[in-house]
Amino acid sequence: AQSVAQPEDQVNVAEGNPLTVKCTYSVSGNPYLFWYVQYPNRGLQFLLKYITGDNLVKGSYGFEAEFNKSQTSFHLKKPSALVSDSALYFCAVRDWEDSNYQLIWGAGTKLIIKP
Amino acid sequence: EPEVTQTPSHQVTQMGQEVILRCVPISNHLYFYWYRQILGQKVEFLVSFYNNEISEKSEIFDDQFSVERPDGSNFTLKIRSTKLEDSAMYFCASSESSYNEQFFGPGTRLTVL
Repeated sequence: AQSVAQPEDQVNVAEGNPLTVKCTYSVSGNPYLFWYVQYPNRGLQFLLKYITGDNLVKGSYGFEAEFNKSQTSFHLKKPSALVSDSALYFCAVRDWEDSNYQLIWGAGTKLIIKP
Repeated sequence: EPEVTQTPSHQVTQMGQEVILRCVPISNHLYFYWYRQILGQKVEFLVSFYNNEISEKSEIFDDQFSVERPDGSNFTLKIRSTKLEDSAMYFCASSESSYNEQFFGPGTRLTVL
């Protein structure tokens, strides 16, 4: 069965420091991986995705994520955090070889950037 | 930039009443989805829709739920007889293909009293 784990409920980072939000996944085939961000009282905004190709994927707002097949991870990173990055971050996966369309979602990680 | 829109932004209803949540997906997208998020919890898949039929649905999507694309632009979620536990944010999403990223609307907050 497909699953996504975001082991940290909350991550606290000082502004200007690098940030990492962790995500690990489990699929039977090859994964499609996504990161979305949710600001308070807003919908989910797409940040970036990994389908195939380079393991380091660059996305919106200076975020990037590294696909690591051996560790089944897809951690979200940013070199220098901004206070405006504070939000809820969701990792999602879909099995490339699965005919189903649904995304399987992690529980979300609340990112707090302190000035 | 094209975006998914949803109406209403907030719907309050009495238990047992029917509600219809409306979505306008991005115009060139072919795949449509409904998700829900109970306050503070994870996003849960409800249903996907392609070529005028349901392509996949979750266990949550029981007989009280239905979806429809009544015209070329709207995509609706109907809950026939609402329950207290249906209170949640309901998100519509669309994508160009089943393998592309899904774009989400701002959500409808459903409150069942």
